[in-house]
Amino acid sequence: GDSVTQMEGPVTLSEEAFLTINCTYTATGYPSLFWYVQYPGEGLQLLLKATKADDKGSNKGFEATYRKETTSFHLEKGSVQVSDSAVYFCALVSGGSYIPTFGRGTSLIVHP
Amino acid sequence: SQTIHQWPATLVQPVGSPLSLECTVEGTSNPNLYWYRQAAGRGLQLLFYSVGIGQISSEVPQNLSASRPQDRQFILSSKKLLLSDSGFYLCAFPSGNTIYFGEGSWLTVV
Repeated sequence: GDSVTQMEGPVTLSEEAFLTINCTYTATGYPSLFWYVQYPGEGLQLLLKATKADDKGSNKGFEATYRKETTSFHLEKGSVQVSDSAVYFCALVSGGSYIPTFGRGTSLIVHP
Repeated sequence: SQTIHQWPATLVQPVGSPLSLECTVEGTSNPNLYWYRQAAGRGLQLLFYSVGIGQISSEVPQNLSASRPQDRQFILSSKKLLLSDSGFYLCAFPSGNTIYFGEGSWLTVV
């Protein structure tokens, strides 16, 4: 079945540091890939998405590129802020069954 | 526009009491609907999904149940809550290659 693997957290960074959160997946066919963000005490919000190989999703300074050859969708940001502190979820939806599959989430803590 | 709402936002219930969480969707018809649970320090676990009225698939055997009495309404229930039912419950639906989530419901069983 489909699966998503994210790096273990928490990831702790200083403000303005570079961020990478790794995400790899296994899926049948060509899934759509997503990053969701959950701020403290809130629900999940879509951060960015990519629907085909080599697509780059971007939003709020975050980027992720759909890499079919490495089955990866790593999240990056050049300069993090304290307000980016949240839990980040990588997810996929494969064309075979439209049931979203999520990674376990990676907690990001940014210190001033 | 498409929206999704769920309630209540927070609740504290004693062990053995019943539960009802409600989710409604607007701006779309016959959506697939999902209930997820996020336990403390853990990821998202798919509990139930529904492809239409009266159609429920359970992913995890437990003392929870789901119902879909109307096209855009999805209800999560329990007759007798357990301590292990505590967590953050999310309703979701897919639309246009995106998954939309409700605001979430924090359940604490005491």
